[in-house]
Amino acid sequence: GQQVMQIPQYQHVQEGEDFTTYCNSSTTLSNIQWYKQRPGGHPVFLIQLVKSGEVKKQKRLTFQFGEAKKNSSLHITATQTTDVGTYFCAGPNNDMRFGAGTRLTVKP
Amino acid sequence: EAGVAQSPRYKIIEKRQSVAFWCNPISGHATLYWYQQILGQGPKLLIQFQNNGVVDDSQLPKDRFSAERLKGVDSTLKIQPAKLEDSAVYLCASSLNGDTDTQYFGPGTRLTVL
Repeated sequence: GQQVMQIPQYQHVQEGEDFTTYCNSSTTLSNIQWYKQRPGGHPVFLIQLVKSGEVKKQKRLTFQFGEAKKNSSLHITATQTTDVGTYFCAGPNNDMRFGAGTRLTVKP
Repeated sequence: EAGVAQSPRYKIIEKRQSVAFWCNPISGHATLYWYQQILGQGPKLLIQFQNNGVVDDSQLPKDRFSAERLKGVDSTLKIQPAKLEDSAVYLCASSLNGDTDTQYFGPGTRLTVL
């Protein structure tokens, strides 16, 4: 089945630097969800985006849904070591579930 | 509120053996999912239940995997017989009522097939 594609696969940053991960789909998505999975942990829901062009913020995290509802991004400002983990986007349909994730490591 | 419970947390078996995993979703959640997560990959949906009915099992290897959700609450996932490539973390998740709702994941069962 189809999958949402995520880039980059890995990102290593210095603490304090910004981080962005992108999620792309070949088809229009009715909604998109973002999850964070800490090393050794399970995915934890972060946010859901539904509207075209929607932007939502959670402290240092900014989530955006594209105008065409085919792509989304997660931006973290001034990363901290607590941001370490893998960030997944997930489409709404069972044949377009979780992307492969972007694994973020932060050097103190 | 109690989260999604799964057991066992770890399981080691030899290939061709059978194994079963158990999941207790959050109380009141109608939708239950089983995912397989291979190391370094995103979760792959195996099966989705709505109450005690199967919504989607298109990616479930039915020759060896089976799942049930009797009475629309707890669920079990079985593998018989296991293969080496089944080594993964099996995650159970539940949501209130369908795909647009937040999914809450359990801690997972880490399966190693030797």
